[in-house]
Amino acid sequence: GDSVTQMEGPVTLSEEAFLTINCTYTATGYPSLFWYVQYPGEGLQLLLKATKADDKGSNKGFEATYRKETTSFHLEKGSVQVSDSAVYFCALRETSYDKVIFGPGTSLSVIP
Amino acid sequence: DAGVIQSPRHEVTEMGQEVTLRCKPISGHNSLFWYRQTMMRGLELLIYFNNNVPIDDSGMPEDRFSAKMPNASFSTLKIQPSEPRDSAVYFCASSFLETENSPLHFGNGTRLTVT
Repeated sequence: GDSVTQMEGPVTLSEEAFLTINCTYTATGYPSLFWYVQYPGEGLQLLLKATKADDKGSNKGFEATYRKETTSFHLEKGSVQVSDSAVYFCALRETSYDKVIFGPGTSLSVIP
Repeated sequence: DAGVIQSPRHEVTEMGQEVTLRCKPISGHNSLFWYRQTMMRGLELLIYFNNNVPIDDSGMPEDRFSAKMPNASFSTLKIQPSEPRDSAVYFCASSFLETENSPLHFGNGTRLTVT
């Protein structure tokens, strides 16, 4: 079945450091890919998305490129801030009517 | 829009008691999802509905769990009887699943503690 794998956390970075959170997926077709972010005490929020190969999703300085050849959708940010401290989830959906499958989440802590 | 509304935010109950969690999806959304989040197991999909019809309930842990969606604006997740291992944060999410890149919109969750 479909699945999403993320790098193990927690990840701790200093402010203004470069961030990469790896995400790879297994799917039978051509899924849409998403990154969600969860701040403490809240539900998940959509961060960015991509629907086809080579699409780049971006939002709030975060970027991720849909790589079909490597079945990956790595999240990057050039300069993290303390306010980026949260848990990040990679997710996929196979078709319009399918359930969304989430990875295990990666906790990020950014220290001043 | 008020977003997805869940109630209660916190629920503390004793083992054996019935627990009912409630969700009001975003108006106009046609799909609703119930997830459970724990430290050990992460985010698990319990069940999802499309146009008020349950599509996939394979994630429901056992017969003690049941979910209903009597209309497009309301859903419940019931646990009867509750057990300590049911302690978790339960999230409801809604979406408009007519386009492939429609995201899920999550509520703020219900933190359930069963003692």
